Amino acid sequence: ETGVTQTPRHLVMGMTNKKSLKCEQHLGHNAMYWYKQSAKKPLELMFVYSLEERVENNSVPSRFSPECPNSSHLFLHLHTLQPEDSALYLCASSLRLVAEAGELFFGEGSRLTVL
Amino acid sequence: LAKTTQPISMDSYEGQEVNITCSHNNIATNDYITWYQQFPSQGPRFIIQGYKTKVTNEVASLFIPADRKSSTLSLPRVSLSDTAVYYCLVGRNDYKLSFGAGTTVTVRA
Repeated sequence: ETGVTQTPRHLVMGMTNKKSLKCEQHLGHNAMYWYKQSAKKPLELMFVYSLEERVENNSVPSRFSPECPNSSHLFLHLHTLQPEDSALYLCASSLRLVAEAGELFFGEGSRLTVL
Repeated sequence: LAKTTQPISMDSYEGQEVNITCSHNNIATNDYITWYQQFPSQGPRFIIQGYKTKVTNEVASLFIPADRKSSTLSLPRVSLSDTAVYYCLVGRNDYKLSFGAGTTVTVRA
């Protein structure tokens, strides 16, 4: 238990579906992140939020839409995805945005399969 | 950001010590060296962090020579449950730290 909870753990969706991934952190952190991990590839940083404001969007396609309603919750809204979007989506948090290495706390991930 | 190089994979047997060396020739003065562990279908987990010399915790030891251009993560007496990917990260104050490909450690009975 890392204090970062992701739901659902597994999700299968068609290319025309709309779904959302949810992340909740119970650590009192102010920064939250979405990472993508495809098979045989390193982690890719997707979005960064600090105090509910988006501070980073790493050229992520618009079919991925993040939302951070408060510092404890982070969502990733998915629509019209492609099969190549199938991956493990990881949420992480840190006490503050300018986090030193070692201060990232990850959830267990949501395994997404796009048919 | 300092670039790191580590072996793609390592095999070991239960009870042995596993040493993973990471090269980071262009490490900056203020950079720390951090190792994460990742099990399949889980998020990475912090293992250990150091700046120089030696750091030890209940999980691992981290050896850093004086020139800091490399570091070695040492896992004592590994068990099957230590099979995972281990990432070496170098930097400080930067959430953009690159996890790279990591080292896949496979422990066999």
